[in-house]
Amino acid sequence: DIQMTQSPSSLSASVGDRVTITCQASQDISNYLNWYQQKPGRAPKLLIYDASHLQTGVPSRFTGSGSGTDFTFTISSLQPEDIATYYCQQYDSLPPRFGQGTKLEIK
Amino acid sequence: QAHLEESGGGVVQPGRSLRLSCAASGFTFSSYSMHWVRQAPGKGLEWLAVISYDGSNKYYTDSVKGRFTISRDNSKNTLYLQMKSLRTEDTAVFYCAGDPSRLLAPGGYLVYWGQGTPVTVSS
Repeated sequence: DIQMTQSPSSLSASVGDRVTITCQASQDISNYLNWYQQKPGRAPKLLIYDASHLQTGVPSRFTGSGSGTDFTFTISSLQPEDIATYYCQQYDSLPPRFGQGTKLEIK
Repeated sequence: QAHLEESGGGVVQPGRSLRLSCAASGFTFSSYSMHWVRQAPGKGLEWLAVISYDGSNKYYTDSVKGRFTISRDNSKNTLYLQMKSLRTEDTAVFYCAGDPSRLLAPGGYLVYWGQGTPVTVSS
C-alpha cells in the first residue's frame, strides 16, 4: 500500500499570508493526487484533483503542484473562511489513502 | 445539484451488525464509482471501500475486509454498507462519496459527499 506523509500537521497563519502544505507519497503516484478541505462539523470538499486541477467553483487562491512523490498545496492569500483541515489523497492505486491532515488556524 | 444522504447510523453493541444506506440524487448515479469513508472522533479521514459504477468490482481496506460489504442498487440510486462483527474502534462518522471515474484506479476523486451518519459501537 502507498503511504502518504502530510506536513505540517498543524499550521497557524495570518489573514493574507501565503500558506503551503506538502504531501509525500511512499512511491511514484504520477499526478494522481487530490486535495480536500474539511471544515469543522462538515463533510470534506474536493478542492484540487490530479495534483493541479482546480475543481469547479473553487477560488483561484487555491493551487496544487507536483508529480511523482512530492506534492504541494498552496493558499496564495489566506482568508478567514479557509480555516479548516486539509487532506491529500493518493489515487494511483487501491487503497486510495488520505494523508493525516493539516489543521489550519488563524494567528 | 448533486446530493448524497446517508442513513442507518446509530448506537450498536460490539459484535452486532448495522446497514448504512446512501441515497443519491441530482447526478447520474449509475455512472459513478461510489466510496465509503469514515472519520473517528477527533481523527482524520479513513478510506474504507469502493464499488464500481456497475457493481462488478469492489475493494476494501484491510481493517474492514471480511466484516464490511459494499453494494449498490442503481435502480434505486442507493449505495449500501453492510457492517458485521462491529468493534468499538469502528465508532465514527461514515460518509459516502461519489467518484466520476469508471476505473477503480488509477485516477479518481471524490467529488460528491454526503453529510455523514454517526455510528457508535458501545456496550
